[in-house]
Amino acid sequence: GAVVSQHPSWVICKSGTSVKIECRSLDFQATTMFWYRQFPKQSLMLMATSNEGSKATYEQGVEKDKFLINHASLTLSTLTVTSAHPEDSSFYICSASQPRGRQMAQYFGPGTRLLVL
Amino acid sequence: AQSVTQPDIHITVSEGASLELRCNYSYGATPYLFWYVQSPGQGLQLLLKYFSGDTLVQGIKGFEAEFKRSQSSFNLRKPSVHWSDAAEYFCAVGGVQGAQKLVFGQGTRLTINP
Repeated sequence: GAVVSQHPSWVICKSGTSVKIECRSLDFQATTMFWYRQFPKQSLMLMATSNEGSKATYEQGVEKDKFLINHASLTLSTLTVTSAHPEDSSFYICSASQPRGRQMAQYFGPGTRLLVL
Repeated sequence: AQSVTQPDIHITVSEGASLELRCNYSYGATPYLFWYVQSPGQGLQLLLKYFSGDTLVQGIKGFEAEFKRSQSSFNLRKPSVHWSDAAEYFCAVGGVQGAQKLVFGQGTRLTINP
C-alpha cells in the first residue's frame, strides 16, 4: 500500500517551453501533496504544499507563477514548470500524505528528472 | 526554526559490518522523526518513523533507530550491512505525524566495501 507514482520519469525540453509533471497516489486518497526539488548530491528542498481543492502554499523563494501547482482531486496533483530555463533542470519529487490519524507518513514518488536545453 | 543535521556526508563500511548513521534535530515541539533511503535516480523510501512511545523503532530491511530526547538525536543503526544497502540516507523532522512539511538533513551517502 501507499504507492505514489510520477509521470513522466524523465523529460527533456527546450528552453522557453512548459513541462507538466503528474503525481498520483495509487491506493489511497491524499488530501495533501508536497513538491520537492533536489539538485545533484543535495538534499530535498520543499517547493510547495498542495491541498486538494485549494491553492498551493509556496515556500519562500519559489516563484508561484513559474511553478504552477494544481491539486484537482484526492489522487492527483500536477506541477507545471512554465517557460523552463536550464537552471530549472533538476530532479522533482512529489509526496503524498493521508489525513491525520491514518497513514502517518509521507510517501514519495519515484521522481521526475527534468533537463532543459 | 526546525532543522536536521546529519554530520557525516559519506560513510564507508565493509559488508557484514555494523552501521550507525547520525542524525541530530532541532524542533520546538514534539518531533516526528523519519529516516528515508534513496537509491541513485530514485525517489525516497520510508525506512522507519517515530511519533511517540517506545524510543527504539524497528523499520524495514533490518534497520532500527533510537530516539534520544536528551541528545536531540535519532540515529539509524543496522547490525550487519549488505551490499544492497549502498544508497543515500536522509533523516527528516516534521509535524503532525508527517502530514505537514518535512525538513530534511543533508543526507549521508553509504558505500559498502565487499
